[in-house]
Amino acid sequence: QSALTQPASVSGSPGQSVTISCTGTSGDVGAYNHVSWYRQHPGEAPRLIIYGVTKRPSGIPNRFSASKSANTASLTISGLQAEDEADYYCSSLTTSSPLWVFGGGTTLTVL
Amino acid sequence: QVQLQQSGPGLVKPSQTLSVTCAISGDSVSSLTAAWNWIRQSPSRGLEWLGRTYYRSKWGNDYAVSVKSRITINSDTSKNQFSLQLNSVTPEDTAVYYCARAEMLVGGYAFDIWGQGTMVTVSS
Repeated sequence: QSALTQPASVSGSPGQSVTISCTGTSGDVGAYNHVSWYRQHPGEAPRLIIYGVTKRPSGIPNRFSASKSANTASLTISGLQAEDEADYYCSSLTTSSPLWVFGGGTTLTVL
Repeated sequence: QVQLQQSGPGLVKPSQTLSVTCAISGDSVSSLTAAWNWIRQSPSRGLEWLGRTYYRSKWGNDYAVSVKSRITINSDTSKNQFSLQLNSVTPEDTAVYYCARAEMLVGGYAFDIWGQGTMVTVSS
């Protein structure tokens, strides 16, 4: 049972937008702005795509955006492309142990 | 650019010790801003943070309560690497083990660099 709750799967057609939610508690998502999102393709390590709730690392296109309200963070991918098909994970710093928690992951299927 | 290269055996017998090493290039294990973490991933447990080591004028470690009695994370400044040891393993410790750098980026703290992963199977 992962500490953060994500939908198991989402899907969308090329060009469309999808949003993935990540629900935690006041002890993690709600406590800090240290919420991050990762994309993982099969057989690869996770890759950082969002940090600090809303910020994109260099090289991540602005099709990726994110936000947070109270204990729930959200990732939106607009203009879906085939390469976006992957697993997406949220993560947050916490106020206790473990220091970091992750969501269970969401599989994005591009139809 | 910063890279993390993992090494370690892929098969460990039950009750023995799992060991994985992460060699750092492009940064220093003694960095005053980064922390060096171990994270594992399995179908049953998902992504699970295990612990970290960091240097802030002296060395520090933090471990997840779930493994605290069995885990040790060490750093080796001469080789610029850090390592994970997990004792008394059981089949439930079978997972892909990742090392990852946690860095305070402008505006947030995140795992910005990951190793390639090491699949460790616990089996006799």
